Amino acid sequence: NAGVTQTPKFQVLKTGQSMTLQCAQDMNHNSMYWYRQDPGMGLRLIYYSASEGTTDKGEVPNGYNVSRLNKREFSLRLESAAPSQTSVYFCASLAGEAFFGQGTRLTVV
Amino acid sequence: AQSVTQLDSQVPVFEEAPVELRCNYSSSVSVYLFWYVQYPNQGLQLLLKYLSGSTLVESINGFEAEFNKSQTSFHLRKPSVHISDTAEYFCAGTSGTYKYIFGTGTRLKVLA
Repeated sequence: NAGVTQTPKFQVLKTGQSMTLQCAQDMNHNSMYWYRQDPGMGLRLIYYSASEGTTDKGEVPNGYNVSRLNKREFSLRLESAAPSQTSVYFCASLAGEAFFGQGTRLTVV
Repeated sequence: AQSVTQLDSQVPVFEEAPVELRCNYSSSVSVYLFWYVQYPNQGLQLLLKYLSGSTLVESINGFEAEFNKSQTSFHLRKPSVHISDTAEYFCAGTSGTYKYIFGTGTRLKVLA
């Protein structure tokens, strides 16, 4: 049972570089989410997708873009990374409760 | 505005003592409430959930939470904690829309 799979697990970027965080779920859920987790701030919603082909902004969307190309996959892109985007990123899919991936620890130097 | 508030950022407690982790929610997120647990360097796992019905919900490892509509609370309790319960605990809620709101987390530290 894979559940929600995120790649990569760790990444170091230089300021200004771009990258895409990948997320895939095999539970046939419609809703998928991207959160960032920072000390003392809990999880903050970046973007979410209620269904295939739709995306909406969450609390902290600036500096990010997302793509929901199919029901399984929901990617998060940083076009020009900034040190403020150093964080742990979690993907989740929802069906009543949330199922989380193991996280991507991103450091921007 | 929708919000979920966890009043304590850290809770130290001795092993075998009882613990309560507090969570309050705004009325706009009162429909479904959850507690998640996060062990170091891992993702979040569902601990228990309230969707409807009985206001007291239990997990398989001895935690329980009570939905209290009049006090807009969903506090998490365990009568006797173990070292292995050391983790960060998140309260979350949703009003049935697609926005799932988390509290800022409470670090439970169980001391020997």
